[in-house]
Formats: sequence, C-alpha cells, structure tokens
Amino acid sequence: EVRLVQSGAELKKPGESLKISCKGFGYSFRHYWIGWVRQTPGKGLEWMGVIYPDDSKTIYGPSFQGLVTISADNSVRTAYLQWSSLKASDTAIYYCASVRYFDWLPPDYWGQGSLVTVSS
Amino acid sequence: EIVLTQSPGTLSLSPGERATLSCRGSQSVNITYVAWYQQKPGQAPRLLIYGASSRATGIPDRFSGSGSGTDFTLTISRLEPEDFAVYYCQQYGNSSWTFGQGTKVEFK
Repeated sequence: EVRLVQSGAELKKPGESLKISCKGFGYSFRHYWIGWVRQTPGKGLEWMGVIYPDDSKTIYGPSFQGLVTISADNSVRTAYLQWSSLKASDTAIYYCASVRYFDWLPPDYWGQGSLVTVSS
Repeated sequence: EIVLTQSPGTLSLSPGERATLSCRGSQSVNITYVAWYQQKPGQAPRLLIYGASSRATGIPDRFSGSGSGTDFTLTISRLEPEDFAVYYCQQYGNSSWTFGQGTKVEFK
C-alpha cells in the first residue's frame, strides 16, 4: 500500500526556521516525484515545487522560488520542506503528494497534511 | 502561467441530483493534463479524474470529466451523500501544477 506520512503540526514564531517531512512507504521512493502544495483559506491550493529523489532535481513554483527549500534523503525515504525565516503568512496546511511522471500525470497519492501556524 | 477559474463557487443540490462543475483556463490547456480532485474537511485532496476524462482507480462511474481547449467540466450524474465536498480542477504538465479555486457542493 502506497502511503505518504507527514510530520505533525507545528507552532512557530515569526523569524524562526522550520523543516517538515514526508515519508514514503510502499513504492520505489527514489523514482517518484514528490511535490509540496500549500493550502490556505484565502488562496486555496498552491503548488510550491517538486523534487525527484533519485537525482535531487528540484523545480520550484514561481511564487515560492527562493522562499523555501525542498530536499530529499533516499536513505530514509523522506522528502523535506524547509523555511529559514517564517512569516505569519506562512500559516497554512502543507501537503506532500507523489507522482511517477511529473510532466505526464497528476499526483495520485497525498500525505495527510501538516498544519503550520506562525504566530507571535 | 495558466490561471484556472472554477464556477460556480458553491452549488446547492440534493442527493440524487446531477452536479455540473466548470473549470476555465486563461489560455488553452492540453487536455492530457487536466485533473479533478475531491476534498472533504480535514482530508487531503483525492484524485478523481486525469487526462480530462479518465477516472482514477476506484472512482465510481457517476463521476465523469469532459472538455477541451479552455473549458472543462466535471459531472456527477447522481449525487450520493458522500459526494458533498469541495472539488478542484488542476492543470499539470509544462513542469508546473496549477489549481482552480474550488467549487463547494453543498446540501440544498
């Protein structure tokens, strides 16, 4: 069974750093793209970027380039999304999602979501 | 960047009725790369349709997708109680993902 299991909810202060995770089970982790999607009440679903764990090729969405870092560690079958300095506007639910062929298919497996709250 | 606009924002219907949801692109979209998702409160999006009209694994045949160019449609032929949720269209391919803002299907 394919599963993506994300790290738990986080409460952080503005300016703090954060790294959330997404662990894959039941498939060839290094050969599937993993994407990150932000969900907020105001802006809906927004694509942040994707990574191909086998060679760490990463593509960022235009609104998130330079604002976050996506990485992956094949040894623990885990992808990461990190911020160096959080803002209140980063408050959202973050989903990871996997897809075999990024340019040909939509993501078909999704993690359960990680709630990030940034508040002073 | 393609912008996807969904309409209506909210659809108020009763079980057994037909639901027709629209997704319009700001420019022509390759139909190979249009998907629809269902999302219920507290859950991740669930893939329903890909390639504009192909049902994902395990999706009932009351869900169907159609369209081409800039206009795409998700139809639920007869609403079941579990179908009341928010639906999103998505464009993939072109090394990017773009989502519509969603249509909520609610009980009338």
